[in-house]
Amino acid sequence: DAKTTQPNSMESNEEEPVHLPCNHSTISGTDYIHWYRQLPSQGPEYVIHGLTSNVNNRMASLAIAEDRKSSTLILHRATLRDAAVYYCILRDVRRGGSNYKLTFGKGTLLTVNP
Amino acid sequence: EAEVAQSPRYKITEKSQAVAFWCDPISGHATLYWYRQILGQGPELLVQFQDESVVDDSQLPKDRFSAERLKGVDSTLKIQPAELGDSAMYLCASSQLATSTDTQYFGPGTRLTVL
Repeated sequence: DAKTTQPNSMESNEEEPVHLPCNHSTISGTDYIHWYRQLPSQGPEYVIHGLTSNVNNRMASLAIAEDRKSSTLILHRATLRDAAVYYCILRDVRRGGSNYKLTFGKGTLLTVNP
Repeated sequence: EAEVAQSPRYKITEKSQAVAFWCDPISGHATLYWYRQILGQGPELLVQFQDESVVDDSQLPKDRFSAERLKGVDSTLKIQPAELGDSAMYLCASSQLATSTDTQYFGPGTRLTVL
């Protein structure tokens, strides 16, 4: 499986933008890039996913490098509620149903300062 | 908004005892996952069900762990006997279909402490 590399931790101030990087230099052409986050004492929750083009939703934006070897999750205005562990995950579209599990790394712990 | 339900939220047991966790997925979700999360690490898949069938249990320690989803709806994960190393958060997730782009919805988890 293609692996991802994320910083262990990042810090931001409330109401400022946050850019969370993810490196995936061995990504294949059929890997989707997914982001989940896990708030303290909760289960993970979906944030966003993309394949090649940049994506926006109500939670965040996903910027994908042209060579797809890296991506950045962008929180446009961080709030205290955004403090969480953010996971960048690759999922291969070629695989059958049994291989669509989420393979989590350690993620990035985001701290938001008031 | 529909949610994945899990119970109990917390469980403390002694080594060698049996424990069981229950999960009720979002209605209509055919795929159900059990993950284990050790403190400081990301969740790791233990078992995946498609309806009532197991499609992936390669990481399930089958000598002590068992999982079932008899009617293809709710599911139970059992550990017998529990060991100290089983202390972790046990997360259940569900999705409509198992695809590369489906969203998995997670429950709040059951935190297990084995003494």
